[in-house]
Amino acid sequence: AQKITQTQPGMFVQEKEAVTLDCTYDTSDPSYGLFWYKQPSSGEMIFLIYQGSYDQQNATEGRYSLNFQKARKSANLVISASQLGDSAMYFCAMRGPNTGNQFYFGTGTSLTVIP
Amino acid sequence: SAVISQKPSRDICQRGTSLTIQCQVDSQVTMMFWYRQQPGQSLTLIATANQGSEATYESGFVIDKFPISRPNLTFSTLTVSNMSPEDSSIYLCSGGRETQYFGPGTRLLVL
Repeated sequence: AQKITQTQPGMFVQEKEAVTLDCTYDTSDPSYGLFWYKQPSSGEMIFLIYQGSYDQQNATEGRYSLNFQKARKSANLVISASQLGDSAMYFCAMRGPNTGNQFYFGTGTSLTVIP
Repeated sequence: SAVISQKPSRDICQRGTSLTIQCQVDSQVTMMFWYRQQPGQSLTLIATANQGSEATYESGFVIDKFPISRPNLTFSTLTVSNMSPEDSSIYLCSGGRETQYFGPGTRLLVL
């Protein structure tokens, strides 16, 4: 069975500092994809970044990077130079080849950026 | 990427009534997904909507309560039937190929 774990219900970060949001996963599939989404108070789910299980390099998208440690089954999101607009819920998700493209979501981490 | 629109964006409904939520994708996608998100919680998958076949429902969700249509590769609807206050949630649809993109959600309040 697929499982995503986010152990930080809430995080605080000072504006302009970097923050790491933790995500661990469990799967027996050799091929899978890992995703991070941002959900501001408006409720929309915004795709941030994707990492494939066979990708050799960590994914980066602007201020977002994914610290992928395959042996540890972790896919932590790093946000550099935090901005007030980064305050939101962040969800880690996984898709596997045997899940019919279904995504499994973690419980989320609430990030608050402090001015 | 895919751009997904969803309507209505919010609604307040009376107990016992039904609401149909529409989801439109700007490109053709094989599968679309419907999720429910209760306040302060993560997303729970309701069903997978495939074009040309019946939707596949997750445990705890039934077709009589949440009928889904998927008439073509860019459109789907979810109906929340015979609503009760426990159905008050955000309902989200998603679609895409490798990456799932989400609509803006429908905030439903049942009185």
